[in-house]
Amino acid sequence: DGGITQSPKYLFRKEGQNVTLSCEQNLNHDAMYWYRQDPGQGLRLIYYSQIVNDFQKGDIAEGYSVSREKKESFPLTVTSAQKNPTAFYLCASSRGQGATGELFFGEGSRLTVL
Amino acid sequence: GESVGLHLPTLSVQEGDNSIINCAYSNSASDYFIWYKQESGKGPQFIIDIRSNMDKRQGQRVTVLLNKTVKHLSLQIAATQPGDSAVYFCAERPGNNRLAFGKGNQVVVIP
Repeated sequence: DGGITQSPKYLFRKEGQNVTLSCEQNLNHDAMYWYRQDPGQGLRLIYYSQIVNDFQKGDIAEGYSVSREKKESFPLTVTSAQKNPTAFYLCASSRGQGATGELFFGEGSRLTVL
Repeated sequence: GESVGLHLPTLSVQEGDNSIINCAYSNSASDYFIWYKQESGKGPQFIIDIRSNMDKRQGQRVTVLLNKTVKHLSLQIAATQPGDSAVYFCAERPGNNRLAFGKGNQVVVIP
């Protein structure tokens, strides 16, 4: 089945550690996105990529990094510079460049900093 | 995630009744709108979308209404079922920019 796969679903991290969240899609979508979701808040855009080897900062990129070496993959690294990393992270993809239509979401990764 | 629904406006609805979820959007230039459903611990799922040249669109058991005059979007769910319990949020697209998401509304279906 086509879709977006995020892993791991749950991740625990000690303060000062970097962690990388995986996002893979087999929908042949050009654009991919990372969002952060906190209780009682809407989705906030961290980074997005409209094409391979290119990505742009979203609204809350500080403390995060991404890469887009392959069309199918858009991993997110939460660095030690992110002051409040505990959150639910959602990866998404869309057909066209930018927000030209519906976003397809993965099942999310919950990161907890101990 | 599991705690997405905390601190959100909550709509409690009896099973079988109709639900209406409201969303006020911010940008009068937005030309495309989407409603998403998010169940506990899962990613958001597309429900229905509507373009700004329409004021109503119907899907299976759902209807989206768009009032551009007051920048208001609503989602109507007919004959609400227990499986409809979730957080619902709208998203708008201001021109060619990225989708902007609302904070969401928690819907609780009472059996």
